[in-house]
Amino acid sequence: AQSVAQPEDQVNVAEGNPLTVKCTYSVSGNPYLFWYVQYPNRGLQFLLKYITGDNLVKGSYGFEAEFNKSQTSFHLKKPSALVSDSALYFCAVRLPFYNQGGKLIFGQGTELSVKP
Amino acid sequence: SQTIHQWPATLVQPVGSPLSLECTVEGTSNPNLYWYRQAAGRGLQLLFYSVGIGQISSEVPQNLSASRPQDRQFILSSKKLLLSDSGFYLCAWSVGPLRAGIPGELFFGEGSRLTVL
Repeated sequence: AQSVAQPEDQVNVAEGNPLTVKCTYSVSGNPYLFWYVQYPNRGLQFLLKYITGDNLVKGSYGFEAEFNKSQTSFHLKKPSALVSDSALYFCAVRLPFYNQGGKLIFGQGTELSVKP
Repeated sequence: SQTIHQWPATLVQPVGSPLSLECTVEGTSNPNLYWYRQAAGRGLQLLFYSVGIGQISSEVPQNLSASRPQDRQFILSSKKLLLSDSGFYLCAWSVGPLRAGIPGELFFGEGSRLTVL
């Protein structure tokens, strides 16, 4: 079965420090991996994706993620955190179109808190 | 550019009353459409998805239903709401399968917060 795990409910970081939000996946076949961010009472905003190619993927707002096939991980990173990065972050894997309409399966989310 | 609209943004309904949440997408054609529910501010559960007009697939049994009367319109309904239907409902779209060999990202609306009392 396809699944995504985010082992940390919450991550606390001081402003200016690097941040990492962890994600591991379990899929059969090629993994199509995504990161989304959600601010309170808002919809999800797409940050970045890994489909194929370079293992280091760069996305919006200075975020990047590293795809590691041997560790089945797709951790989200940022070199220098901002207070405005505080939000709920979701990792997700997308099924192929022929499998349940290409739905996204989400992790449980990680609350990122960046303190000044 | 493509945009997605959801309404109403907030809704307070008594138990047993009907529900209709609407989602429309602009700037694209034949999108895949999805309804997700987010409970307790965290986990996202797929409720329905549609790959074309009149084509609805249900992920979980419940008293909710979905319809797609037009290519870019997706409606979530209930005849009688339960307390457990409270939550944050998110509509999303993606490029349809005929125009994309590899699945891309989903784009989400701003959500509809439903409180059932």
